[in-house]
Order: sequence, then C-alpha cells, then structure tokens
Amino acid sequence: KAGVTQTPRYLIKTRGQQVTLSCSPISGHRSVSWYQQTPGQGLQFLFEYFSETQRNKGNFPGRFSGRQFSNSRSEMNVSTLELGDSALYLCASSPQEGLVGYFGPGTRLTVL
Amino acid sequence: AQSVTQLGSHVSVSEGALVLLRCNYSSSVPPYLFWYVQYPNQGLQLLLKYTSAATLVKGINGFEAEFKKSETSFHLTKPSAHMSDAAEYFCAVSLYNQGGKLIFGQGTELSVKP
Repeated sequence: KAGVTQTPRYLIKTRGQQVTLSCSPISGHRSVSWYQQTPGQGLQFLFEYFSETQRNKGNFPGRFSGRQFSNSRSEMNVSTLELGDSALYLCASSPQEGLVGYFGPGTRLTVL
Repeated sequence: AQSVTQLGSHVSVSEGALVLLRCNYSSSVPPYLFWYVQYPNQGLQLLLKYTSAATLVKGINGFEAEFKKSETSFHLTKPSAHMSDAAEYFCAVSLYNQGGKLIFGQGTELSVKP
C-alpha cells in the first residue's frame, strides 16, 4: 500500500501570502490529522478530520484552517502568512477516528 | 492537562551500547503512550505504543519501553545500539477521548559513535 502523500514537499512564500497544503491518506483511511513542527515549539497538533468533519482542534489562530474531502484527502490553509509559520507540516492518516496515525514525509514551508 | 517531558535533548552512545531514552508524562487519566522516530527530512515512524495492555511493550527495530504508572514514566530502551539508530526520538501521549490528538515531548536526538 502506498503511504501518506503530502504535496508539495517544499514551499517558499512571503509574508502576507496564503498557502494550501495537501495530504492524501493511505487508501481506506478516513481520518487525517495535521501537525506543525518547529525547532522552538516542537510538534504541535493542529486539527483532526474524520468523514469530512473536524473532530479536534489545537490552539492555533483562525488563520489556520483545514478541510477534508469525500475521498478523505485533506487540505490545510494558512492565510496571511507570518515568519513564524515557517515549519514542517506533517499529516497523519488512520483507518478510524481516534487511532494513532501513519505520518507522511511533511511539507517544508519557508516564509520570507 | 497532559504533558510529556523527555530528559536530555541529546544522547550519545557507542555502537553496541545500551540505548536509554527517558520520557515522563503527566496525565489526569490513564494515557496512551507512544514513541516515534524521525530521520532527517522524513516524517515520523511509530516505534511502539502502550494502550493499557502489557506494561512492557516491544516495538520495531529491537526497541522496547516499559510503562511505570508509579513513576509516570515510559522510557525507551534498546540493548545494543546500531549506527542506523541515529535519529530524533519523540515520546507522545494521547487520551482515549481525545482521538488522534497527540501531545509530543521536545524530542531527543540520538547519536551513535562507531
């Protein structure tokens, strides 16, 4: 089975722009979670989606949003980018809601 | 609220030596506990998990961890380090009613000397 796919792998944006990251879960998995990884704050939970519904949300400002499509693919969007949004964004998929997921390789976002 | 503390941001061992990575957790209810490994420029790979069954959990690549409720610890061990074990290791906790939300420790970078 193919693993979790995240696109793009690398992204460079400037302050004030917005960005959309994509995550394709393992086939048959219906739950997708997103995490932000930075050297200063470490790994932090962003949100979890199951069957197109947000089930859980971390402590991030409203500039961070996400959605899940009927095929379980998920996108996250960050609007009005700030320098501090530079991070590795990781997606994890799992077969059911609430289970620990399999992580993708991440998208490295750099904000200039 | 639950939290995770990993003692030592960097651990260095010689090849063939014992690996011990420390993790302590804080949780008001029985937690689920996990260890992940991250190699450079890659995502996280699950090594092992504790979900209230056996307190000694065996994982992949020869790693194991023991859940000690009295010490609120979940330390990761491997009897004999290999060069390929060099990576960053993360301990994480979740609650049964918090779904896929993982709270991670700050990570421990493991170096293996030849």
